[in-house]
Amino acid sequence: AQKITQTQPGMFVQEKEAVTLDCTYDTSDPSYGLFWYKQPSSGEMIFLIYQGSYDQQNATEGRYSLNFQKARKSANLVISASQLGDSAMYFCAMREGLADTPLVFGKGTRLSVIA
Amino acid sequence: SQTIHQWPATLVQPVGSPLSLECTVEGTSNPNLYWYRQAAGRGLQLLFYSVGIGQISSEVPQNLSASRPQDRQFILSSKKLLLSDSGFYLCALEVMETGTSYEQYFGPGTRLTVT
Repeated sequence: AQKITQTQPGMFVQEKEAVTLDCTYDTSDPSYGLFWYKQPSSGEMIFLIYQGSYDQQNATEGRYSLNFQKARKSANLVISASQLGDSAMYFCAMREGLADTPLVFGKGTRLSVIA
Repeated sequence: SQTIHQWPATLVQPVGSPLSLECTVEGTSNPNLYWYRQAAGRGLQLLFYSVGIGQISSEVPQNLSASRPQDRQFILSSKKLLLSDSGFYLCALEVMETGTSYEQYFGPGTRLTVT
């Protein structure tokens, strides 16, 4: 069974609008971490934001925020005030446990920002 | 801050030829190291990870192997390449701090085309 599911292969958003990229996860481990990465066309993977399973508040980093709904096992990424430079692939990932376990990535969502 | 070097940046190899991709890191000690492969337009597939010198965990059976001869060096190899080995290979590191971790830092990647 897939541990990370990103159901949106592609998304379009108007410049300056907000967009939500969906991510659901599956784990029975009470300790886990959730990550979002951005991959522009150059191929580099850029870390955006992290949410721990015990964190009480939703993580925020500048224009990025993570809508963490633990009961629903979802960790959606919200990008506010989209910019043309936000056009990229976005990957959700999870680590089960706290140490020495690898990240599991979803298949990604391609975001296109339209002027 | 941590830096990850990967070489070569691009590589075109015939089927059946050997492969050696190198990843070296700077600015940290005793990192966890990872090899991922990304097929065109797809997500990241974890291939190998290492928590220390000589310690390699393999995630999928295949004709690839990995070695970690030094703390900051991680090598991906193959004796005979297959067409299906084509893809974008990313090395990543992770520094464990007090038993938890937050993000993985990715290298610039190697684009391998097997012809």
